[in-house]
Amino acid sequence: AQSVTQLDSHVSVSEGTPVLLRCNYSSSYSPSLFWYVQHPNKGLQLLLKYTSAATLVKGINGFEAEFKKSETSFHLTKPSAHMSDAAEYFCVVTASTGTASKLTFGTGTRLQVTL
Amino acid sequence: DGGITQSPKYLFRKEGQNVTLSCEQNLNHDAMYWYRQDPGQGLRLIYYSQIVNDFQKGDIAEGYSVSREKKESFPLTVTSAQKNPTAFYLCASRDTILRGYTFGSGTRLTVV
Repeated sequence: AQSVTQLDSHVSVSEGTPVLLRCNYSSSYSPSLFWYVQHPNKGLQLLLKYTSAATLVKGINGFEAEFKKSETSFHLTKPSAHMSDAAEYFCVVTASTGTASKLTFGTGTRLQVTL
Repeated sequence: DGGITQSPKYLFRKEGQNVTLSCEQNLNHDAMYWYRQDPGQGLRLIYYSQIVNDFQKGDIAEGYSVSREKKESFPLTVTSAQKNPTAFYLCASRDTILRGYTFGSGTRLTVV
């Protein structure tokens, strides 16, 4: 079984300040972890993924995330927020068992960026 | 460019009617998925298919049906048995070698 908990449903930051979106996971197998971003009425775009290589993962648009097994966390960070970062962010876990591979989504964190 | 095309973008349905959402991919991916998105609930898996002519129920399959007659296509039918069909529906495909997922831009279904 696997699950994802996004600890904040809504985060508000000022433009130019750091962003922290928190995610905890549980998985019976070695997980792969993803962060996706969704702008209103759009599909999901992959920001970054962890698949058992380096624990610090760099993604697009200046985002990065650190896999911490001891804390079962995969928090998303960005040093300086931009207005265009305002969107909904999903933390996702998957664990392949045989040929099956299903994504389990967190409930999402809405990021608001203010001037 | 390779990708996933979902159509239509917006769809209105009267109560009691069946409606089919289209999902087409030209990525040569074997696996395809349908998710439903409701506010504050993330995405939930409806059905998935790992190969042509085979598909499995996800977590919320009741009131939905799918087919996978071609590798490129994975249409979803929302039947009149689905009690609360108004939602945003996302289709995805997966590269089983690189394990990457690609999502379509979604269809917003509204029952009127």
